[in-house]
Amino acid sequence: KQEVTQIPAALSVPEGENLVLNCSFTDSAIYNLQWFRQDPGKGLTSLLLIQSSQREQTSGRLNASLDKSSGRSTLYIAASQPGDSATYLCAVNGEDNDMRFGAGTRLTVKP
Amino acid sequence: NAGVTQTPKFQVLKTGQSMTLQCAQDMNHEYMSWYRQDPGMGLRLIHYSVGAGITDQGEVPNGYNVSRSTTEDFPLRLLSAAPSQTSVYFCASSVNRGTDTQYFGPGTRLTVL
Repeated sequence: KQEVTQIPAALSVPEGENLVLNCSFTDSAIYNLQWFRQDPGKGLTSLLLIQSSQREQTSGRLNASLDKSSGRSTLYIAASQPGDSATYLCAVNGEDNDMRFGAGTRLTVKP
Repeated sequence: NAGVTQTPKFQVLKTGQSMTLQCAQDMNHEYMSWYRQDPGMGLRLIHYSVGAGITDQGEVPNGYNVSRSTTEDFPLRLLSAAPSQTSVYFCASSVNRGTDTQYFGPGTRLTVL
């Protein structure tokens, strides 16, 4: 069974800092990996979707990489802002087509 | 374009009561799914549907029923609520299963006393 782990569980950084969130998964047989943002009391918003054949995807200040063979993905946030404060979740679509989620990293960006 | 909508936003039930959580999407997506989110855990798949008339079980289906009579709607039924079903429930949809971006509703926070 696919296991998805996100480290750290919580992260606090000053505004303007570049930061990296980590996601690891145990089964490399995946179709894609998706990063989501969740604000308190809200649903999930998709940030980036990386297909298994891709190495990275970029959207604005966000860059997600995927190393399928080592079972790792990173989400890089450049020049962090207080508005980036949220929980970030990664989810893996395995060959069983079921999406498995990590528990998330709660990010706080301090002004 | 409303995306994925869920009702109600909050619900309190007593043990043994039944209820239906509503989910609707207006994007003509074939794939819809229900997840529950518990503190310290990732979202877990309850049931899913790959199209009208087709449903299947996910990782944690016990105590829940679903049906899909139209493309737009995918209700989740709790048959006899238990305190272990206290959770936040999310509905999601995508064009196809497993290959596309999933879009999530705002969630329903359910408490079972």
